[in-house]
Amino acid sequence: GQNIDQPTEMTATEGAIVQINCTYQTSGFNGLFWYQQHAGEAPTFLSYNVLDGLEEKGRFSSFLSRSKGYSYLLLKELQMKDSASYLCAVRGLTTDSWGKFQFGAGTQVVVTP
Amino acid sequence: GAVVSQHPSWVICKSGTSVKIECRSLDFQATTMFWYRQFPKQSLMLMATSNEGSKATYEQGVEKDKFLINHASLTLSTLTVTSAHPEDSSFYICSARDYKLAGVGNEQFFGPGTRLTVL
Repeated sequence: GQNIDQPTEMTATEGAIVQINCTYQTSGFNGLFWYQQHAGEAPTFLSYNVLDGLEEKGRFSSFLSRSKGYSYLLLKELQMKDSASYLCAVRGLTTDSWGKFQFGAGTQVVVTP
Repeated sequence: GAVVSQHPSWVICKSGTSVKIECRSLDFQATTMFWYRQFPKQSLMLMATSNEGSKATYEQGVEKDKFLINHASLTLSTLTVTSAHPEDSSFYICSARDYKLAGVGNEQFFGPGTRLTVL
């Protein structure tokens, strides 16, 4: 199985940078994904990593270290609309978990003026 | 990008009745769809994996006789909550896997969710 941990809530000011950490323990790993979810809506894909290193997509970047079971999502130039829950999800690899996602509890980011 | 729809968006029903939720992939074929449940301020919990043409596989603790899943075509999966009770009230979200994108990266696309309220 997979244990996925991320902080419950983070607060930052508009224009700042926030880093959301995610640690995981898994028996089979086939990628780590980050999603954004606004209240009452479905998650939207932000970024993913399969190999170690940094992936940059505009204001969002994600980093992965497989040996450490660690990832982070970096949000730069924060905007008010970035206030949302950010979900870390691990995709399974084993026969009975292929394609399955296990989600962390989510980190609620609050952006203040 | 790939689009997944869910119907209905929200539903209110009486305790003891059954509710069917549809998940459709609109512009791609999905041999596999996933059903999640999300309680307020909690994360998505995978309920079951729906495979076209075969029986769904359920996660531990999910009652297969209560949550009936049918994946009759490559673009449609349905979840039926049978004999619903207030504790079944939740946000149900499906995702569909585009097998053509397997191994590429973002291959799963989420529906907009269905909010179920059981009175």
